[in-house]
Order: sequence, then C-alpha cells, then structure tokens
Amino acid sequence: KNEVEQSPQNLTAQEGEFITINCSYSVGISALHWLQQHPGGGIVSLFMLSSGKKKHGRLIATINIQEKHSSLHITASHPRDSAVYICAVRSTDKLIFGTGTRLQVFP
Amino acid sequence: NAGVTQTPKFQVLKTGQSMTLQCAQDMNHEYMSWYRQDPGMGLRLIHYSVGAGITDQGEVPNGYNVSRSTTEDFPLRLLSAAPSQTSVYFCASSPWDLRDYARDEQFFGPGTRLTVL
Repeated sequence: KNEVEQSPQNLTAQEGEFITINCSYSVGISALHWLQQHPGGGIVSLFMLSSGKKKHGRLIATINIQEKHSSLHITASHPRDSAVYICAVRSTDKLIFGTGTRLQVFP
Repeated sequence: NAGVTQTPKFQVLKTGQSMTLQCAQDMNHEYMSWYRQDPGMGLRLIHYSVGAGITDQGEVPNGYNVSRSTTEDFPLRLLSAAPSQTSVYFCASSPWDLRDYARDEQFFGPGTRLTVL
C-alpha cells in the first residue's frame, strides 16, 4: 500500500464546477504539500500545510492531522485549471509523493 | 533569480553510456533533491542533500551518484545507463532544514527527459 494515496486518479468537470481532490497518508508528517504539474511538465508549489486551512484565490487546502487526510478544493473551476495535482508529505527528511490527480475542465 | 535550472532538457543515451544531469539553484537553499517521474507512478526520490558536503540515498538510488560540493549545485550522474533509467528527471530545492520545519516551500526545475536506447 502506498504511503500517500490520492483520489480520484482522474477527474473531468465543466467550467464553473466545484472540485475536490483528496489525499490520505499513513506516515507521521511535519508538513503536507499540494503541487500542480502543468501539461508542459513544469511543477509548481500551491500550498504547504501543517494544520488547518489555507486559501489562495480560488484554491483552498485543508488538512486533518488526526485523520491523516487533506483536501484540495477549486471553486468556480476554469479550463486553465486543467493539470495534474500532486499531494506530497514531508516525513523526516524526505518528501513522499502521491501519484497525482489528472483534472480536465471543459468549457 | 533564475530559481532552479536543469540541463539538458532532453537527452538520448545508448545503454552503457554515462552522463551527468546538471542542477543549480540561486536561492541559497540548503535542501536539494533529485526525483524521477514515470508514467502511473508518483515522483520517486533518487538522492537528496541537506547541505553542502552531505548527501543521502532516497527510494531508488541504484545506478545514480550525486555530490554536493557547493550550496548551489547538485549534479546527478548516471554511471552506466540502462533502458530502465528512461524517465523524466526533476531537481528540486527548498529552504527546509531540521531546525525549521516550516520553511519547506518546494521549487522544481523544468525537468530533463532522458531516453536510454
């Protein structure tokens, strides 16, 4: 069993829909990261969380340390949000990655 | 700031050849790491470094060597390329250190697409 599990693996949505991507982990962590990988391959950091909730524009990330679970929400989705969203956890001195959620938003 | 740079962007090797993937960052980050990304799998850690002169193995280190003689540079060496090393390689850096867990924003290079024939 992978130490970091994401769901769903693939997600399609119509423009304007509310999107939720989930991440569960089974190891002790000091932080959880949400990353975005564009179709061209570049990876950018969206959020780093150790507790609670963070918001940046239309993106919201939450984490529940007791349940070892995090969610990434996208409000009012747009075709430019189409990308792979990756969850990663910092466990001791290493990052462990989920396999990613591929999101496609259609106009 | 250039951020994290990687060269080359693309490379084709024959089995048995050696080469070095270059990675540099200009943000004075202590933590640097190399990952490979294969279809259907998450990013997997090859080697990492928590500072100049210190390196350690990740999940998939076999066939790769690293060194960290300066804070800025973290090259990855393929000793004798094999088709199983065909992958996309990402270098990343972060200000993270053991004394301050909160400083952990990740900065990734653009990647190197390597094909081994």
